[in-house]
Amino acid sequence: DAGITQSPRHKVTETGTPVTLRCHQTENHRYMYWYRQDPGHGLRLIHYSYGVKDTDKGEVSDGYSVSRSKTEDFLLTLESATSSQTSVYFCAIARERPETQYFGPGTRLLVL
Amino acid sequence: AQKITQTQPGMFVQEKEAVTLDCTYDTSDPSYGLFWYKQPSSGEMIFLIYQGSYDQQNATEGRYSLNFQKARKSANLVISASQLGDSAMYFCAMREGAVSGGSNYKLTFGKGTLLTVNP
Repeated sequence: DAGITQSPRHKVTETGTPVTLRCHQTENHRYMYWYRQDPGHGLRLIHYSYGVKDTDKGEVSDGYSVSRSKTEDFLLTLESATSSQTSVYFCAIARERPETQYFGPGTRLLVL
Repeated sequence: AQKITQTQPGMFVQEKEAVTLDCTYDTSDPSYGLFWYKQPSSGEMIFLIYQGSYDQQNATEGRYSLNFQKARKSANLVISASQLGDSAMYFCAMREGAVSGGSNYKLTFGKGTLLTVNP
C-alpha cells in the first residue's frame, strides 16, 4: 500500500463539462503521474509532475491539464469532457528505493 | 514502433503449473528498467517485479521471476506453481534512461496479456 487515494472513484458526466480528478498521497513522494487505461491500449501517460508546480506532458495530454500546488495532491482536469475521454484514470507515485511506480485504485469516468 | 510488445493477448494454464508471459522491448538507451504489473478483475494495478538493464542476475520475487535476455530484448515473466488467484491481466512496462537525481520514472506499457488459471 503506497498511501495513494483517488477521488472520485466513479463519475458520470456530460460532454462539454469540466471534470477534475484528484490524486492524494501520504508519503511525500516527489514524482506523480496520471495515466489512462483503455481496452487495447494498456496504460498511457497523460501528464506527470516532478515537484510542486513542476509538471510536464505525457503521450496523450491533449484535452487535459494538471496542477500540483502541494506535494501530496496532483489534480487532473478535463477542460471540456468528450466521449473519447471515457476511460479509467490511474494516478501513480514513483519510489526511488526500490525504483518503481505504485498506483492508486483508479477512477472510472464515463462521459455521455 | 511499439516500445513494449506483448504478443499473447490471452494465455491459459492449469493450476500448479508454471507459465511464461512474453514481453519484448525496443530501446537504444543502454540504461533502462523493466517492470511487470498484475491487474486482477477488481482493477487495481499491482507491482510484481523489476529488472534493471545492468542487473547481472534475473530478478525473482517469490513465485515470480523475470527471464531477462538482453541481447534478444526480452523480459518474460515466469509464474511458478500457478494459483487460481493468478488469473488477471499482466502488463509489461519499461522506463528508459538512467535514474539519477532530477530524473523521472516515466513508464511505457504494453497492451497486456490476460492469464486464466484453470482448476
